[in-house]
Amino acid sequence: SQQGEEDPQALSIQEGENATMNCSYKTSINNLQWYRQNSGRGLVHLILIRSNEREKHSGRLRVTLDTSKKSSSLLITASRAADTASYFCATNSGGYQKVTFGTGTKLQVIP
Amino acid sequence: GAVVSQHPSRVICKSGTSVKIECRSLDFQATTMFWYRQFPKQSLMLMATSNEGSKATYEQGVEKDKFLINHASLTLSTLTVTSAHPEDSSFYICSARAATAVRQETQYFGPGTRLLVL
Repeated sequence: SQQGEEDPQALSIQEGENATMNCSYKTSINNLQWYRQNSGRGLVHLILIRSNEREKHSGRLRVTLDTSKKSSSLLITASRAADTASYFCATNSGGYQKVTFGTGTKLQVIP
Repeated sequence: GAVVSQHPSRVICKSGTSVKIECRSLDFQATTMFWYRQFPKQSLMLMATSNEGSKATYEQGVEKDKFLINHASLTLSTLTVTSAHPEDSSFYICSARAATAVRQETQYFGPGTRLLVL
């Protein structure tokens, strides 16, 4: 079953703008990860945030985690056309054995 | 580092035939590999978890006799779709988790295999 629900399902922005995607989940987690998938391709791991962390940065990416609300957000600043892809959150719980993916947000950055 | 490959990248087969997909960790040893299926415009759904040297653990609703998984070494897992039917057409993605404790939280994904059953 889907652990994460993401919104929006689709997002279209102009190059240079910031993009924010949200993920909500249902059960307690060990960590939450964000992945990017270009159309028809495999997944690229972007960033991992542990349950005891609240915010993490990596380049133009900023991830927040609110375990009380069971939600996370991914912010991409100064977006580029190359950021066009689908973004998935994935939660890891119960001994790291498996990761459950959210429904994904399809981001389009218009040059 | 942490590269995972899949072969083939794309396969077309006739209904009733079997198809084998390989997943290899190229520069690390993977104690655990995972197989996912992704239908168009949908998210990844975990099919099974494969541990080296032991039987795979299948998710509810996934037929173990139809999707045979073999994890014979720390760098190779195979998924065989037996007696494939058109409804098995999908994008199959594997991932691998490194044996070393430092990177054990992260899964590294292969590029995927697109299967089309005619």
